[in-house]
Amino acid sequence: QSALTQPASVSGSPGQSITISCTGTSSDVGGYNYVSWYQQHPGKAPKLMIYEVSNRPSGVSNRFSGSKSGNTASLTISGLQAEDEANYYCSSYTSSSTLVFGGGTKLTVL
Amino acid sequence: QVQLVQSGAEVKKPGASVKVSCKASGYTFTSYAMHWVRQAPGQRLEWMGWINTGNGNTKYSQTFQGRVTITRDTFASTAYMELSSLRSEDTAVYYCARNSYSTTGTSYYAMDVWGQGTTVTVSS
Repeated sequence: QSALTQPASVSGSPGQSITISCTGTSSDVGGYNYVSWYQQHPGKAPKLMIYEVSNRPSGVSNRFSGSKSGNTASLTISGLQAEDEANYYCSSYTSSSTLVFGGGTKLTVL
Repeated sequence: QVQLVQSGAEVKKPGASVKVSCKASGYTFTSYAMHWVRQAPGQRLEWMGWINTGNGNTKYSQTFQGRVTITRDTFASTAYMELSSLRSEDTAVYYCARNSYSTTGTSYYAMDVWGQGTTVTVSS
């Protein structure tokens, strides 16, 4: 199972919005609404930010939102804050009943 | 509170095996499947497999098929991941993570609680 494709890096200034894409195939992202997004700060365990494409767990800021179109899912962070600087990973359920992660995106807040 | 506590760091020689434990507390262990995920230094997250903690059924990534074994001890509320035939490329942090469900029991195929990670170093 190949990794989902994410941009290696994105950046934005405080207060701006950014979007991170996650491209797969019809056997994973496009075939199921089981796309999740994780935030990982250096040296820390990942944290679930979005599940089922667009749902936020309790306690996650509403500045984080998710969507999907075809084989590509997206994570949007609005009103960027310094604490949002981290690595972000998407994940999807697959037709093989497994999960697959993306390559990860480093978000820099300028 | 809900937490997953993993065993300590390991140093292994190439060709050896390693077994990492993940003790759950604060919830009913057998009601939530458990995933195992690894992350090599500076690299992406990599899904290894998961176990239905209720009936013991497992599913593994093809990448690790034949080398990884995930088990659980329901009495100890603990999941285990054993990786064999270790090589230097297996040097990584290994995480256990709980699968997330709806209130009606539908799986979200997402990981809502993570262990602190266990560093495994493979070196001769």
